[in-house]
Amino acid sequence: GEQVEQLPSILRVQEGSSASINCTYENSASNYFPWYKQEPGENPKLIIDIRSNMERKQTQGLIVLLDKKAKRFSLHITDTQPGDSAMYFCAAAYQGGRALIFGTGTTVSVSP
Amino acid sequence: EAAVTQSPRNKVAVTGGKVTLSCNQTNNHNNMYWYRQDTGHGLRLIHYSYGAGSTEKGDIPDGYKASRPSQENFSLILELATPSQTSVYFCASAGTGANTEVFFGKGTRLTVV
Repeated sequence: GEQVEQLPSILRVQEGSSASINCTYENSASNYFPWYKQEPGENPKLIIDIRSNMERKQTQGLIVLLDKKAKRFSLHITDTQPGDSAMYFCAAAYQGGRALIFGTGTTVSVSP
Repeated sequence: EAAVTQSPRNKVAVTGGKVTLSCNQTNNHNNMYWYRQDTGHGLRLIHYSYGAGSTEKGDIPDGYKASRPSQENFSLILELATPSQTSVYFCASAGTGANTEVFFGKGTRLTVV
């Protein structure tokens, strides 16, 4: 089946610094790339998404970049805070596809 | 916000027993999904449905069945539970099309002993 690779699996950063997570996808028809945040014991929740007609999207402290040529997209968390500590999942989908395909997740730990 | 409710939230089952995980959504979403979450594997798609009466196999369907008797309800059935099916299971729903926001339930932690 199609895969989405996500790296790194664990990311430790200092409070106030940036955190970056990278994902690559296989299907060139993919056109929707959401990012989900999952706090311990909770369900994953959408935090930001980008569609293939954009290369960059920003909301609050989050930036998503999409490089369709390289089939790569990334999440950048600026000015990290302890509340950003969580598991983050990238995902990809394409029109007519059956479901989101998720990456394997990144555990982000922000230390004071 | 979209509401997806799973039951039970926790379940201990014996090997060889039958387990049914239930999911209800009140958002009139056509699409519903069952994923399992395991460390190192992320969220993997087990079964999904495009609407009442339809079920489709996902990426890891072996050992699982699904049932979608109505728009609102989508069940995951383990006929003969095995310890390898110990996991956290998430039900999710979304509007039509794969490229729309997916809303997850709170998850069911299943332990098969």
